[in-house]
Amino acid sequence: DADVTQTPRNRITKTGKRIMLECSQTKGHDRMYWYRQDPGLGLRLIYYSFDVKDINKGEISDGYSVSRQAQAKFSLSLESAIPNQTALYFCATSADEGSYTGELFFGEGSRLTVL
Amino acid sequence: KQEVTQIPAALSVPEGENLVLNCSFTDSAIYNLQWFRQDPGKGLTSLLLIQSSQREQTSGRLNASLDKSSGRSTLYIAASQPGDSATYLCAVIDDNNNDMRFGAGTRLTVKP
Repeated sequence: DADVTQTPRNRITKTGKRIMLECSQTKGHDRMYWYRQDPGLGLRLIYYSFDVKDINKGEISDGYSVSRQAQAKFSLSLESAIPNQTALYFCATSADEGSYTGELFFGEGSRLTVL
Repeated sequence: KQEVTQIPAALSVPEGENLVLNCSFTDSAIYNLQWFRQDPGKGLTSLLLIQSSQREQTSGRLNASLDKSSGRSTLYIAASQPGDSATYLCAVIDDNNNDMRFGAGTRLTVKP
């Protein structure tokens, strides 16, 4: 089983619909991240969380919200999806302070298409 | 704002060749630099992580170097194989804010 699991892996939806992407991890890491990947642009950070009570905006947080339900779970929501949110979304984790090296561990990705 | 650039965007080589992928970054105040591999439709797999105090890291046929002062890193792949075909991304974490910035990647094709 993967250490970082994302669901769904693929989703097609319509403009205006609410969408939730879920991420769970078994690595025991406190830090979790959501990124989106667009062709030619690399990965860009949407939100990150350093523990259950800590949520921070990343580079491109507009139009997104997150919830850290537990240490192991971090979900990303699109309240009203629009076509330019069509992208590949990745969840990632990293170890907390004390053992922090900055190394990221990624899920397999969730491909979202907004029509 | 940190910017990470990878050149070339795509590279095609015959099997067996040694090759170098390049990564440059604009702000030398980094915590570390990480190289990833991404296969089509898949997530990112960490290949090598270089802390800011280190000059290089090696894993098997891969060697990554870091020159903070010039804002450059290279990923050297020895004796390339078709299975090395993938997109390779580099990313840096800033020293100040733990923000990780990615390059757009180099898509490598190794022809049998």
